[in-house]
Amino acid sequence: DQQVKQNSPSLSVQEGRISILNCDYTNSMFDYFLWYKKYPAEGPTFLISISSIKDKNEDGRFTVFLNKSAKHLSLHIVPSQPGDSAVYFCAASPRGANSGYALNFGKGTSLLVTP
Amino acid sequence: DAGVIQSPRHEVTEMGQEVTLRCKPISGHDYLFWYRQTMMRGLELLIYFNNNVPIDDSGMPEDRFSAKMPNASFSTLKIQPSEPRDSAVYFCASSLQSSYGYTFGSGTRLTVV
Repeated sequence: DQQVKQNSPSLSVQEGRISILNCDYTNSMFDYFLWYKKYPAEGPTFLISISSIKDKNEDGRFTVFLNKSAKHLSLHIVPSQPGDSAVYFCAASPRGANSGYALNFGKGTSLLVTP
Repeated sequence: DAGVIQSPRHEVTEMGQEVTLRCKPISGHDYLFWYRQTMMRGLELLIYFNNNVPIDDSGMPEDRFSAKMPNASFSTLKIQPSEPRDSAVYFCASSLQSSYGYTFGSGTRLTVV
């Protein structure tokens, strides 16, 4: 029973356009959300996070939006670049960054940015 | 710091054999996590430790899997006996917090034939 769901296994976007990656969660106790990026043959690396007291967090080209009522978050990448091609994992945890709970990850979405 | 170091990078073994995966966390990190990545389930938490003590092993698939952390600088994940369905990429990660600041190793790709 996947508590963090990424229903799109893959996404293809043209360079310069917006990439939107979606994530849904089922556990209403989750209140801290993160996105990780993974290149082939490497481990995932942290990209951006958001806590449930916010509905948006921005870091350069990356913005995460949180809709708590819908239990949905999304990652926007604008503009998309070929180097953004990777697998993106959504992750969630209850009660903050040091709650004592480990992160729950989704299955990942493979993003391909074409020139 | 060299980051989280996992060995081996690749392991091919025959069904029924014992497999041991190794992890050296970042010095000073007091959380260590073992995750498994498969297409079907994504990144799945197997077990995690805090200060060398196992906190949650509910993700360990069955008794064939065991994990130890004998000291702050070393952890092992053992599968005995291994089965083809154990084929996956196994990641170790360490951090100073339970849900933030994870540094992942490069993973061990396990193939059981």
